[in-house]
Order: sequence, then C-alpha cells, then structure tokens
Amino acid sequence: AQTVTQSQPEMSVQEAETVTLSCTYDTSESDYYLFWYKQPPSRQMILVIRQEAYKQQNATENRFSVNFQKAAKSFSLKISDSQLGDAAMYFCAYRSNFPGNQFYFGTGTSLTVIP
Amino acid sequence: GAVVSQHPSWVICKSGTSVKIECRSLDFQATTMFWYRQFPKQSLMLMATSNEGSKATYEQGVEKDKFLINHASLTLSTLTVTSAHPEDSSFYICSARIAGTDTQYFGPGTRLTVL
Repeated sequence: AQTVTQSQPEMSVQEAETVTLSCTYDTSESDYYLFWYKQPPSRQMILVIRQEAYKQQNATENRFSVNFQKAAKSFSLKISDSQLGDAAMYFCAYRSNFPGNQFYFGTGTSLTVIP
Repeated sequence: GAVVSQHPSWVICKSGTSVKIECRSLDFQATTMFWYRQFPKQSLMLMATSNEGSKATYEQGVEKDKFLINHASLTLSTLTVTSAHPEDSSFYICSARIAGTDTQYFGPGTRLTVL
C-alpha cells in the first residue's frame, strides 16, 4: 500500500507571513493524484488543492500553491499571506488509481496562525 | 455544489446496541462512497469502500459483520455499528466521489460515544 508521510506534526506562522507544509509519499505508480485537505476544529474536511501527477505545472488556488516534485515524491503546500482562518489540521492525501481509487492520508500537520 | 451530509452528527448509545449512521450526497450522484474512522488528533483511517448496488470492500482488519455498510442508492450509504462497545467510540467520516472524477467530498462526520 502507498504511504504518505507528513514529518511536521505542528507548525506555526505569523499572520500575513508564508508557511510551507511538507509531504512525501511512496508509490510505484506513475499516474495518481495528490491532495491537500484542511480540517478546522469543526472536523469538516475541506479540499484545499489537488494535483495530477501527469501534470508538471504546480497547482495554485489563490493563496495556496504546491511544489510537486515527482521524482522526489514530494508534495509540499505553501500558504501565502496567512490568515487566522487558515489555522487547522492539514492532511496530505494520495489517491491511487488502483484498485478502488481509495485515498491514503498522512498523519496531519497542525497549523497555528499567530496574530 | 458537491455537498455531503451525515446524520446524526453526534450519537450516544449503550454498549451492546446498534447504531446506524447515514451519509447522503445532496446535489450529486455518488457511485462510490468511503467510510473513515478518525481517533482524536490522528489521521483518517479508511474502513471500507462502497459502490452503489454492490457489496462494500473492507480494509484489512475491519470486521465486516461489525461494521455493516449498505449503499442502496446513488445518494445514500449507511454504516451500522452492530453490538457497539466502548472501543468503537470514535469520529466516523464518510466521503463521496462523483463518477468519473478524482476528488472526494467529505461529510461533516459523526461522533459516536458508546457507554
């Protein structure tokens, strides 16, 4: 099974600053998808950004962008101009194409935004 | 769009009783739904994958007879925890995938407490 590793259990950032959350994964597949999900205290999982492995261009969604390094199997999330509402648990996820398209989640990074 | 609901959001039951949790896709048809379990401050653990009209596929270590999953329609999947024990207390999250897409949309979760 694929494994997803988030080596930073906790991170903090000053409001308006930039922070990068790390994620690495292990797979033998060539075609897959990667995601970052946010889980605020409400526990509702919210999709932040997604990346197709076959695309070399890094995905961007407003203040959120990724640095996808396929050869290194690395998928980091950069949050620019951090806001108080960004405080949450962030989970990196890998979606396999086989056999059932299930997601594999990392252990999460708890992000604190300091006013 | 792509809203997933869960009911109930919180349930308390006595040991030995059964509890049913519903997961509904409100504005789309979900051919595949996933059930996860999340312990406090931990990641999501996939329990099973259910496809509409067929038997669910359970992850290794998940008891099929204890966690009954039914996906009777394209908008509804249910998880029944049978003969619940205190160790079944957890946060259960469902997600749904639109056919032909690669993104999962998550429900708000159900907190189960077994006394």
